[in-house]
Amino acid sequence: DVKVTQSSRYLVKRTGEKVFLECVQDMDHENMFWYRQDPGLGLRLIYFSYDVKMKEKGDIPEGYSVSREKKERFSLILESASTNQTSMYLCASSQQGSIQYFGAGTRLSVL
Amino acid sequence: AQSVTQLDSQVPVFEEAPVELRCNYSSSVSVYLFWYVQYPNQGLQLLLKYLSGSTLVESINGFEAEFNKSQTSFHLRKPSVHISDTAEYFCAVNSGGSNYKLTFGKGTLLTVNP
Repeated sequence: DVKVTQSSRYLVKRTGEKVFLECVQDMDHENMFWYRQDPGLGLRLIYFSYDVKMKEKGDIPEGYSVSREKKERFSLILESASTNQTSMYLCASSQQGSIQYFGAGTRLSVL
Repeated sequence: AQSVTQLDSQVPVFEEAPVELRCNYSSSVSVYLFWYVQYPNQGLQLLLKYLSGSTLVESINGFEAEFNKSQTSFHLRKPSVHISDTAEYFCAVNSGGSNYKLTFGKGTLLTVNP
């Protein structure tokens, strides 16, 4: 089975902190994705990566950056966390094609 | 650009009743279609997919969805629901090619009551 692991289930941070959300997949997938999920808004794509060191902006990249130094790991970075970034963050990976496999999510609260 | 509309944000039903969760999409090219399910406090799991071939696709737990190109729909159905089907359901579309991105609907919360 494909396994996508997000390092934290719950995080509480303060406004202005730098926050790292980590995601690791164990299936040698080419593509990795970061979404945020908010009630009534569904999933919105923040960034995705189709290869090591390659990244593309999704629909809502403002306030976020990403890093993919190794194929299996995709990090989401909040340079200076703000209260409007309180959300559920979901990581996913896929091989060539469309089926995406998701991690369990990280619920981030920014106080 | 592609988009997905899930017409119902919440669907309450009684156990053993039939259910239909509606999904419409817009895309100018051929599509791949998906239903994902999210149980409380969990990530998304793939429920079923349409990539090509038969327009009726089924999951292992009794759900089915039918791709209707003329109506640009991919509605999810189950003839008899269980309490354990309570979850949020997301429809998603991908236009294939080199675009790996999925566009998700806003989700439908299915609540099955005893």
